[in-house]
Parts: sequence; structure tokens; C-alpha cells
Amino acid sequence: NAGVTQTPKFQVLKTGQSMTLQCAQDMNHEYMSWYRQDPGMGLRLIHYSVGAGITDQGEVPNGYNVSRSTTEDFPLRLLSAAPSQTSVYFCASSWGTEAFFGQGTRLTVV
Amino acid sequence: AQRVTQPEKLLSVFKGAPVELKCNYSYSGSPELFWYVQYSRQRLQLLLRHISRESIKGFTADLNKGETSFHLKKPFAQEEDSAMYYCAHTSGANSKLTFGKGITLSVRP
Repeated sequence: NAGVTQTPKFQVLKTGQSMTLQCAQDMNHEYMSWYRQDPGMGLRLIHYSVGAGITDQGEVPNGYNVSRSTTEDFPLRLLSAAPSQTSVYFCASSWGTEAFFGQGTRLTVV
Repeated sequence: AQRVTQPEKLLSVFKGAPVELKCNYSYSGSPELFWYVQYSRQRLQLLLRHISRESIKGFTADLNKGETSFHLKKPFAQEEDSAMYYCAHTSGANSKLTFGKGITLSVRP
């Protein structure tokens, strides 16, 4: 039982490049979410999904897209990377009110 | 809108000293509150939730609806308690989890 798995763990992008952060969970949780963690800002919700085919915006959605074609996977796409998107990204899946987090992806945009 | 406030960014104490990490919330309904912890180089994990009223690793947190607070306490800090602590709130199952800005607890030997 791997829980929530994020790939890659580290990534460096050039401004304007696009990429997809992968997130997979094997706990059959319906609710999944993406957060970014920045110093002094805590964790801020980017996008979330309450089940396959359903997604919605969180607090800071601009510059990011998501889709949820299966219960297991919830990828986060950066359309055109900007230095302001340099951050640590966490994916989570939830059972009831408890969230289970991935190990994070540290993204640097230069 | 629901909001979670952690007024301090850093708390540094000596081993054996008491610890209180403050958390205040704003929500008009029945809140569900949590403390999450992130140890160095580890993923964020649930420490405790107000519903269970349990003590985890010596930490307790009591929900005070009058003061809208959910402070995390431990009578005697240990070095292994050093970590980032986040207070979080949700309005119910499979609902958005809102985090405070977090506080770094540093326990010195």
C-alpha cells in the first residue's frame, strides 16, 4: 500500500515551459487536492476533485490545470511556467476528514 | 469564508519546557479542526483532530468555541518535536481543508 505517490520529487523548469506533476493514490479515495507550500504562506489550495470527472478551483488556481479521469490519478499541469510558481507542491487524498499527503515535488522555475 | 490563523511563525524552547502553539479559526458552523505536522524531510501527516480528543506524542488540543481557538499543547517538549506544525480546518468530510500559515517549533537540547 503506497498511499499517495508524487513524481517527480525535484524539477527545474525554464520560464515558459510546461510540465505535468503526477499524483497517484491507491486508497480508493474520492477526494484529491493539490497544494503549494511557500515560506510564510502555509499551504494554499490550488485545485481539488471530489471524484472522477469532477474538479474545481481552490484559492490559487491561476496558471494551473487539472483533470481527473480516474479515481487513482490527479495530475497537475503547469501551462507556461513562471518564476512565481517556484514552490513545493503537495498532492493529497482524503478519507472522510483526514488528508494523506504525498512526499512533495520541489519545483524551481528559472 | 473559513479562515485559520496561526499568529506566530517560530517558537523556540529548551527541552523539557512547555509548548503552546496557537491557532484561531473563523467559521460560523460546526468546525472540524486538526493539527498536521511535517518533520524534516518527511511528508505532512495528521497529528490529531479535535473530535477524537486524544493525546498523540504527548500533544493535546482542546477546541474552545467561545474563543474560537484550538491551541496545541505539550507539557514537556522533546528534541524530536522539532518540526513545522499546521493548524487546519474543514467544514466536513470530503470538503476543502484550509491551513494556517504554519509555525516552526524548534526544541533545543
